[in-house]
Amino acid sequence: DAKTTQPPSMDCAEGRAANLPCNHSTISGNEYVYWYRQIHSQGPQYIIHGLKNNETNEMASLIITEDRKSSTLILPHATLRDTAVYYCIVFSSNTGKLIFGQGTTLQVKP
Amino acid sequence: EAGVVQSPRYKIIEKKQPVAFWCNPISGHNTLYWYLQNLGQGPELLIRYENEEAVDDSQLPKDRFSAERLKGVDSTLKIQPAELGDSAVYLCASRKNVNTGELFFGEGSRLTVL
Repeated sequence: DAKTTQPPSMDCAEGRAANLPCNHSTISGNEYVYWYRQIHSQGPQYIIHGLKNNETNEMASLIITEDRKSSTLILPHATLRDTAVYYCIVFSSNTGKLIFGQGTTLQVKP
Repeated sequence: EAGVVQSPRYKIIEKKQPVAFWCNPISGHNTLYWYLQNLGQGPELLIRYENEEAVDDSQLPKDRFSAERLKGVDSTLKIQPAELGDSAVYLCASRKNVNTGELFFGEGSRLTVL
């Protein structure tokens, strides 16, 4: 299973875009990049996923580099409620495993 | 649509006592996961079920942990006897089919072993 590397923590000003990076240099061609977040005392919550193309939904945008070795999760207008731990995960439907790393703790400040 | 339901939400026990956690996944979700989460760490997979079959239990400490998913719906995770190091949050998650990595998590069961 491909591993991911994320910075342990980041700060972002409320109302500004939060850009959370993730390295996954050993990702295979059929593996997807998934992002989850976990707000304090809650279970992880799915945000978005992608294979090759950039993706956008109501929560966030996902930018995947052309070589697929890294990606960036973008929260366009961060609010205080976006303060959470964000996990970048490489998923393969072959194994069905979703392996969480340490994630990035995002602190949104007023 | 109801989410993944776990109980109890909190449990405090003395070491060497048994404890059990229950999970009811989202209706129609065939895959069920149990994760363990220590403070400040990401969730770690304990066991994964496809319907009633445990397809990945390699990380489950089988000397004291057991799990079952009778009839392929709800599931129970048991620890007997509990140790101090078992204090953690036990998370249950489900997904609809094998091709997706979109899991739906419950709120977790927080265990404190004294």
